[in-house]
Amino acid sequence: QVQLVQSGAEVKKPGASVKVSCKASGYTFTSYHMHWVRQAPGQGLEWMGMINPSGGGTNYAQKFQGRVTMTRDTSTSTVYMELSSLRSEDTAVYYCATESPAKCYFDYWGQGTLVTVSS
Amino acid sequence: EIVLTQSPGTLSLSPGERATLSCRASQSVSSSYLAWYQQKPGQAPRLLIYGASSRATGIPDRFSGSGSGTDFTLTISRLEPGDFAVYYCQQYDNSSPYTFGQGTKLEIK
Repeated sequence: QVQLVQSGAEVKKPGASVKVSCKASGYTFTSYHMHWVRQAPGQGLEWMGMINPSGGGTNYAQKFQGRVTMTRDTSTSTVYMELSSLRSEDTAVYYCATESPAKCYFDYWGQGTLVTVSS
Repeated sequence: EIVLTQSPGTLSLSPGERATLSCRASQSVSSSYLAWYQQKPGQAPRLLIYGASSRATGIPDRFSGSGSGTDFTLTISRLEPGDFAVYYCQQYDNSSPYTFGQGTKLEIK
């Protein structure tokens, strides 16, 4: 069965960077695009961007351009999301989620990683 | 950017009742690219409906989706205790990739 297992919670200071991992199993890693979606406390869902694990191509939401980097390691079936220049508004749960190419919806989700930005 | 507006913000119903949740888009959305998710406290969202009306794997037929253009609906025919959660609609468009509605909280009356 498809499983996405994310790294643990992080506490960061403003201005720092955070790198969250998402290890995939149960399917061919390069067959699904991987997206990142975040959710601030008590708020809704916000799409951040995606990576195609097959070729490494990325597409980031305009809001995060210049601050987010998504990479993958095909040898370990792991996707990474790095967010830099953190501010308090980046405090959120960050989810990875799969998308069958061109389907444009998210069928499997990781358990989420809480990132807290606080001085 | 395409904005999705969900209504009502909170819906209070009893088990066994029928729930109707609305998702309205600021401009026309392809039905192929409209999805619904359920999220329970402390959990990741779960895909319920894709392509506006197709149920995801394992989703009971009590859940149904409909609509086109700018108006979409999620209907839960007979509420069960496990259905009380927050529901989000989501769309994809070339010009405005992957936006979500603000959510509808379905609570027990």
